[in-house]
Amino acid sequence: DTAVSQTPKYLVTQMGNDKSIKCEQNLGHDTMYWYKQDSKKFLKIMFSYNNKELIINETVPNRFSPKSPDKAHLNLHINSLELGDSAVYFCASSLRQYNEQFFGPGTRLTVL
Amino acid sequence: QKEVEQNSGPLSVPEGAIASLNCTYSDRGSQSFFWYRQYSGKSPELIMSIYSNGDKEDGRFTAQLNKASQYVSLLIRDSQPSDSATYLCAVMYNNNDMRFGAGTRLTVKP
Repeated sequence: DTAVSQTPKYLVTQMGNDKSIKCEQNLGHDTMYWYKQDSKKFLKIMFSYNNKELIINETVPNRFSPKSPDKAHLNLHINSLELGDSAVYFCASSLRQYNEQFFGPGTRLTVL
Repeated sequence: QKEVEQNSGPLSVPEGAIASLNCTYSDRGSQSFFWYRQYSGKSPELIMSIYSNGDKEDGRFTAQLNKASQYVSLLIRDSQPSDSATYLCAVMYNNNDMRFGAGTRLTVKP
């Protein structure tokens, strides 16, 4: 009964490649998020979607593009990967704004 | 500027002691406050949420909020070695915008 799931768990790729990370939640939540946690463990919000509408778009390179086909899914596509993109990416969801967020297991991305 | 400040630690307490974790935030308009626990290599796990001034208790955990001082804290009573983790303070600003502190690493020594 996984609440928030992400695939893949690990992703190792070469610089310049394009990759996607998928996220699904079965909690019935209407808001989903992408976070990046760097090597210093700092967790930073990247995007937030509410009912498939983009709410937050932090200052991230436009190589990162989120896509929400429905309320239960939020995918992250990354073009032209760079060394600095190496991090753990977490998906999260909440029932509505101001409510608690629940995190997926994370995807560890390594760019070589 | 939406800042959340935490003492990065590490904080070390003996088993059975009270661990006290502190957090300050910059925006007076913040309405929701959370404490997450993150074990090494794992995802953040929600421990407590607090929305109004005062104390909120849940088992061995007590969250304290003082909006006038822009301060939120977490007390862990009867600390156990299994409480050893990084504790993240999170503050919700407008429009689902959650900001995290850098985390405080707690070690509980047997």
